[in-house]
Amino acid sequence: EVQLLESGGGLVQPGGSLRLSCGASGFTFRDYAMSWVRQTPGKGLEWVSAISSTGGTIYYADSVKGRFTISRDNSKNTLSLQMNSLRAEDAAVYHCARSSGWRSDHWGQGTLVTVSS
Amino acid sequence: DIQMTQSPSSLSASVGDRVTITCRASRGISNYLAWYQQKPGNLPKLLVYDASTLQSGVPSRFSGSGSGTDFTLTISGLQPEDVATYYCQNYYSPPFTFGPGTKVDMK
Repeated sequence: EVQLLESGGGLVQPGGSLRLSCGASGFTFRDYAMSWVRQTPGKGLEWVSAISSTGGTIYYADSVKGRFTISRDNSKNTLSLQMNSLRAEDAAVYHCARSSGWRSDHWGQGTLVTVSS
Repeated sequence: DIQMTQSPSSLSASVGDRVTITCRASRGISNYLAWYQQKPGNLPKLLVYDASTLQSGVPSRFSGSGSGTDFTLTISGLQPEDVATYYCQNYYSPPFTFGPGTKVDMK
């Protein structure tokens, strides 16, 4: 069974940083691209970033480019998202997702990021 | 960047009704289009990929069609468990944007 477990969310002040992690199990992690997608309660889905299976190809949404960094460690089956210069509009539940051909077929429960002073 | 729009934003239908949701891309994305279902309080679930391929385990009353810029998700016989918000997603060209969603309720 595919399992994705996010961690690292919390309360941070505007301008602060957080590092999200996603532990994967139940599939061969190194064979799949991975993505981060965020959702504000009651709102829609916003694609944030994606990384290829080897880490050699990386994409970002314009809204986070230059502030967020996605990475993966295939030896530890872990996906990460380093978030710097956080803004109020970055507050959301962040989901990691297994991606096949850049579409996402399994999602984690998510970790809540709150940006407030 | 490719923008995704959906119509309608919400709809109410009765059990057994045929329901059609439209998704439009601001420029051609071939068939690199996915549909997701998100039930209240649940995670998104992949329903359709490559515009018309049903994900394993998805009921056959769901179908997708389209290519280029115009796409459709059809539920041929709405069931109570289909109450959800439906999102389309472009995965042809980054950023892999989602549509704003279509909320489906029971009448």
